[in-house]
Amino acid sequence: DVKVTQSSRYLVKRTGEKVFLECVQDMDHENMFWYRQDPGLGLRLIYFSYDVKMKEKGDIPEGYSVSREKKERFSLILESASTNQTSMYLCASSPPSYEQYFGPGTRLTVT
Amino acid sequence: GENVEQHPSTLSVQEGDSAVIKCTYSDSASNYFPWYKQELGKGPQLIIDIRSNVGEKKDQRIAVTLNKTAKHFSLHITETQPEDSAVYFCATMGYGTASKLTFGTGTRLQVTL
Repeated sequence: DVKVTQSSRYLVKRTGEKVFLECVQDMDHENMFWYRQDPGLGLRLIYFSYDVKMKEKGDIPEGYSVSREKKERFSLILESASTNQTSMYLCASSPPSYEQYFGPGTRLTVT
Repeated sequence: GENVEQHPSTLSVQEGDSAVIKCTYSDSASNYFPWYKQELGKGPQLIIDIRSNVGEKKDQRIAVTLNKTAKHFSLHITETQPEDSAVYFCATMGYGTASKLTFGTGTRLQVTL
């Protein structure tokens, strides 16, 4: 079974803090993705990576950066957290075929 | 870019009835159409998908239909059961988009006894 794990299920941070969300997949997938999920807006792509050290912006990259130093790990960084970044963050991975496998999500609250 | 509209946003059906969720998309180059189910506290999970060269696909109680001319596709769940209660998302992927999916806004399905 494909497994995508995320470092935290719940996280509470203060405005201005630097936040790291980590994602690890165990299936040697080339592609990895970070989404945020908000009620009524569905899943929106923040960043994705199709290879180690490669990254591309998604639809809503502002305020975020990413890092992929190893194939199995993809990190999402909030350089200076703001209250409008309170959300559910979902990581996914996929092989060159189409199906994406999702982690359980991290619910981030910025106060 | 691609725009995916999903309706309805909420759907309540009685156990045993059918449920239908519809999505429309804007990019005629889209060629892959998955449906994901998200249960409470979990990440989305693929339940069925269809490629652009097929008009319909079935898997037990779940089916997906695709009308490329009209640019819409639908999820059909027959004989609904309480465990079908979840949020369902449609998505599209275009050719040459590096496996990027564009998601609909989700449908919360509640199956009542």
